[in-house]
Amino acid sequence: DAKTTQPTSMDCAEGRAANLPCNHSTISGNEYVYWYRQIHSQGPQYIIHGLKNNETNEMASLIITEDRKSSTLILPHATLRDTAVYYCIVKGNNNDMRFGAGTRLTVKP
Amino acid sequence: DVKVTQSSRYLVKRTGEKVFLECVQDMDHENMFWYRQDPGLGLRLIYFSYDVKMKEKGDIPEGYSVSREKKERFSLILESASTNQTSMYLCASSLRGRETQYFGPGTRLLVL
Repeated sequence: DAKTTQPTSMDCAEGRAANLPCNHSTISGNEYVYWYRQIHSQGPQYIIHGLKNNETNEMASLIITEDRKSSTLILPHATLRDTAVYYCIVKGNNNDMRFGAGTRLTVKP
Repeated sequence: DVKVTQSSRYLVKRTGEKVFLECVQDMDHENMFWYRQDPGLGLRLIYFSYDVKMKEKGDIPEGYSVSREKKERFSLILESASTNQTSMYLCASSLRGRETQYFGPGTRLLVL
């Protein structure tokens, strides 16, 4: 599976959009980009995933660049409850999720 | 909504004890997984199962075993708990052929 690079931490003001970047320059054609988040002392929560098209659901939007070497998770109106560690994962056909260190997002009032 | 539950949120055991961690999912998922999460090491896969009575080793199976007698239940067993098995244990499940894994709330195990 391709490796990912994310900033260690980010801050965002409550009510503003949070844009979390992820680099995955070695991604293969059949690998998906997944985003999870983990709120302190809880299990990881699935957010969204995509292959090459941009995706949107009730939680977030995922923007994948045309060359697929990077992506951005967008939380359109961040709330204090969105404070968490966000993991970007690139995953192929095997079955284990390789979680890196992630980005610690702090939403501030 | 997919629901994955784990038998305990917090557990304290003594060195040498046999420990059972239970995981149950209610969405008829074929695949189930056990991970442990430690600071600075991320999530590491211990064991996974593609079907009832099937199991596969993950990256760090030493000191652990698993049991999958029913589709909805996947148990992690520490035959003789040691202090280096103090960790957060996470169970996950997914549909066969679907990559999205859904996680339980985790069990924080302390081995004294």
